[in-house]
Amino acid sequence: AQTVTQSQPEMSVQEAETVTLSCTYDTSESDYYLFWYKQPPSRQMILVIRQEAYKQQNATENRFSVNFQKAAKSFSLKISDSQLGDAAMYFCASNSGGSNYKLTFGKGTLLTVNP
Amino acid sequence: KAGVTQTPRYLIKTRGQQVTLSCSPISGHRSVSWYQQTPGQGLQFLFEYFSETQRNKGNFPGRFSGRQFSNSRSEMNVSTLELGDSALYLCASRTSLADTQYFGPGTRLTVL
Repeated sequence: AQTVTQSQPEMSVQEAETVTLSCTYDTSESDYYLFWYKQPPSRQMILVIRQEAYKQQNATENRFSVNFQKAAKSFSLKISDSQLGDAAMYFCASNSGGSNYKLTFGKGTLLTVNP
Repeated sequence: KAGVTQTPRYLIKTRGQQVTLSCSPISGHRSVSWYQQTPGQGLQFLFEYFSETQRNKGNFPGRFSGRQFSNSRSEMNVSTLELGDSALYLCASRTSLADTQYFGPGTRLTVL
């Protein structure tokens, strides 16, 4: 079974600064994918970034990047130059071939961006 | 491409009633998944359908059921509603089981 743990229920950052959200996961599969989703107050779940486990290179999407440490089963999200629109609940998630790629979510981290 | 759409967006029912929620996936996506989101339990997986077949199922009672049609649209049904069924129900679609899931805006169900 997969598990995803987000140890920071809440985080805050000043506008224009950098923040890192933590995530650890556990899976016995070798074939899996990791995701960060963002859920703003509108409740629409939006994909932020995706990482394939077989890729050593960390994924980046504009101001968003990940630090994927496969041996440590760690998958943190770094947001650079934080903007007010980044304020949201952030969910870390994983899926694996062994579970028919069922998506498992962490409990989420609520990010506040202060002006 | 149009995104995932869910109808209705808001729903109020009373205990004991049944409800049907609908989800239309992104064009070309053959997989549809359903999730329940509550403040206490977070995001919980209900089930996933791929090409009209249920491929994954979460740990929910039999009152929760679903189906997928030949055009990939999916419906979720909850019978004999309980107060604890009040939640945001999210639908997501993807092209294949290994692909990224894209979510709809959700249906907010309130059970009185």
